[in-house]
Amino acid sequence: GENVEQHPSTLSVQEGDSAVIKCTYSDSASNYFPWYKQELGKGPQLIIDIRSNVGEKKDQRIAVTLNKTAKHFSLHITETQPEDSAVYFCAATLNNAGNMLTFGGGTRLMVKP
Amino acid sequence: DAEITQSPRHKITETGRQVTLACHQTWNHNNMFWYRQDLGHGLRLIHYSYGVQDTNKGEVSDGYSVSRSNTEDLPLTLESAASSQTSVYFCASSYQGTDTQYFGPGTRLTVL
Repeated sequence: GENVEQHPSTLSVQEGDSAVIKCTYSDSASNYFPWYKQELGKGPQLIIDIRSNVGEKKDQRIAVTLNKTAKHFSLHITETQPEDSAVYFCAATLNNAGNMLTFGGGTRLMVKP
Repeated sequence: DAEITQSPRHKITETGRQVTLACHQTWNHNNMFWYRQDLGHGLRLIHYSYGVQDTNKGEVSDGYSVSRSNTEDLPLTLESAASSQTSVYFCASSYQGTDTQYFGPGTRLTVL
């Protein structure tokens, strides 16, 4: 089955700096890669996703890049703000696997004002 | 507004007791999922369902069961709770054929 590894497990940045979280996956057939943000006491919420036919996707201060050859994808947050502080999860799935997601272990991002 | 809810939000129980966690969604989603979240393990899939009367085992299904009698609900039952099942449990749902999963607020379960 799929295995997803996520690094780093914790990340502390100064407000205004950029943050990068990296994930690797094992199954070369995986073709959908979402990122979820989980705030304290809440369930994860989808913030951005990318499919295997695209190398990069941006949404305001958030971007995701995908390297299919190396089997890794990354989340980039620019101009970080205190409200970006949360736990971030990457995930991977086969498009025809009935939506079963395999999650990484999570990254706790702390943005210091 | 459509939503997904879980109850209770917090539960303390004793080893060996049967526990049922509720999940209810009003989006009319076909797909529903149960995950557990433990430090360092991210979210691991317990059981999932693609529709009424359909249930499937996930990565960590031992000691858990689900039933799907209608579209809106997927209750998760711990037949005989164990301390290793102390965790935060999340329910999620999605439309058939789509990838985006919507998560509930979670249930924190403590087994003493």
